[in-house]
Amino acid sequence: KQEVTQIPAALSVPEGENLVLNCSFTDSAIYNLQWFRQDPGKGLTSLLLIQSSQREQTSGRLNASLDKSSGRSTLYIAASQPGDSATYLCAVCSGNTGKLIFGQGTTLQVKP
Amino acid sequence: SQTIHQWPATLVQPVGSPLSLECTVEGTSNPNLYWYRQAAGRGLQLLFYSVGIGQISSEVPQNLSASRPQDRQFILSSKKLLLSDSGFYLCACGTIHHGTEAFFGQGTRLTVV
Repeated sequence: KQEVTQIPAALSVPEGENLVLNCSFTDSAIYNLQWFRQDPGKGLTSLLLIQSSQREQTSGRLNASLDKSSGRSTLYIAASQPGDSATYLCAVCSGNTGKLIFGQGTTLQVKP
Repeated sequence: SQTIHQWPATLVQPVGSPLSLECTVEGTSNPNLYWYRQAAGRGLQLLFYSVGIGQISSEVPQNLSASRPQDRQFILSSKKLLLSDSGFYLCACGTIHHGTEAFFGQGTRLTVV
């Protein structure tokens, strides 16, 4: 059974810092891994999608890496801003129906 | 890209009342559709998924049901709500090809009182 874990559960940093969020999964047989952002009381916004054959994806100040063999992914946020404050969720797709297994999320606070 | 519409945004219902949450999708055809629930302090849990009209798979036994009367419409229902049905319900879509990105709606906050 696939399990996804995110560390840390919460993180508070001053504005401008670079930071790394971690995600690990138990079954390396995945199709893809997706990082989402969730603001309080809102739905999920897709940030980055990494296919199982890829090592990393970049979008602006965000960079996500994938090491499928070790069951790990990281989300790197450069030059953090207060607007980055949100909960970040990692999800893996390991079935042929597109079902996602989510981690518990990391709640990030960037202080001005 | 796909757009997912969910309504209502918030809902307060008494125990024992019926429920109907609707989700519609724009910008794609023949999507896979999903209902997830996010309970307070817990992660997202998949409730139902559908790969086509009238095809529903349930992931966990529960008090809820789902239906897909049209290609881009997904409905979550209950005949009698329980307190434990409270939570944040999210509809999502992906295509039949598993390597594609999943998109989510803005969610419905359900409080059963």
